[in-house]
Amino acid sequence: GESVGLHLPTLSVQEGDNSIINCAYSNSASDYFIWYKQESGKGPQFIIDIRSNMDKRQGQRVTVLLNKTVKHLSLQIAATQPGDSAVYFCAVSYGQNFVFGPGTRLSVLP
Amino acid sequence: EPEVTQTPSHQVTQMGQEVILRCVPISNHLYFYWYRQILGQKVEFLVSFYNNEISEKSEIFDDQFSVERPDGSNFTLKIRSTKLEDSAMYFCASFTGSQETQYFGPGTRLLVL
Repeated sequence: GESVGLHLPTLSVQEGDNSIINCAYSNSASDYFIWYKQESGKGPQFIIDIRSNMDKRQGQRVTVLLNKTVKHLSLQIAATQPGDSAVYFCAVSYGQNFVFGPGTRLSVLP
Repeated sequence: EPEVTQTPSHQVTQMGQEVILRCVPISNHLYFYWYRQILGQKVEFLVSFYNNEISEKSEIFDDQFSVERPDGSNFTLKIRSTKLEDSAMYFCASFTGSQETQYFGPGTRLLVL
């Protein structure tokens, strides 16, 4: 099986600063990792993913880092904006199924 | 851009009643999922469905739950006799099966009174 945990349930950052959200997973055989953003009352929205054959992947203002040695995943958001305020989940795949972490609520302060 | 759709967006029901939640997955996707999210808690896996049968289910998915793909487009979750603790957001998701993530619908908010 797989369990996914998180380091911080909430995170507050100043607008314009960088945000880092962390996630830990248990199964070293997991090979696909995803970050989702969930705004209030909406479904999870895909942000970025990474496969286990990579340790870093960049998107627009977002970077995902994967450390397979310690089974740790992080999401970095550059120049955080008010529209980034949401709950962020990591999800880890095993086979064709996915296990979600509990989420970090990111609040962006003006 | 293709998307997963769900109906209804909200459903209020009496305890003991049956509810059917509907989903239309993305058309070329092969794997279909139902998740539950109790207010303020994390997304929990209920069931995955592939090739017209359940491929995996969680301990939450007991005999009161069933899923069906009655035609080529719809994917339904039935709760036979709802309990108060079934109140949650229910999300449908679909997935091609490889090289891509799964995409979520907007959810159905179920309230059992």
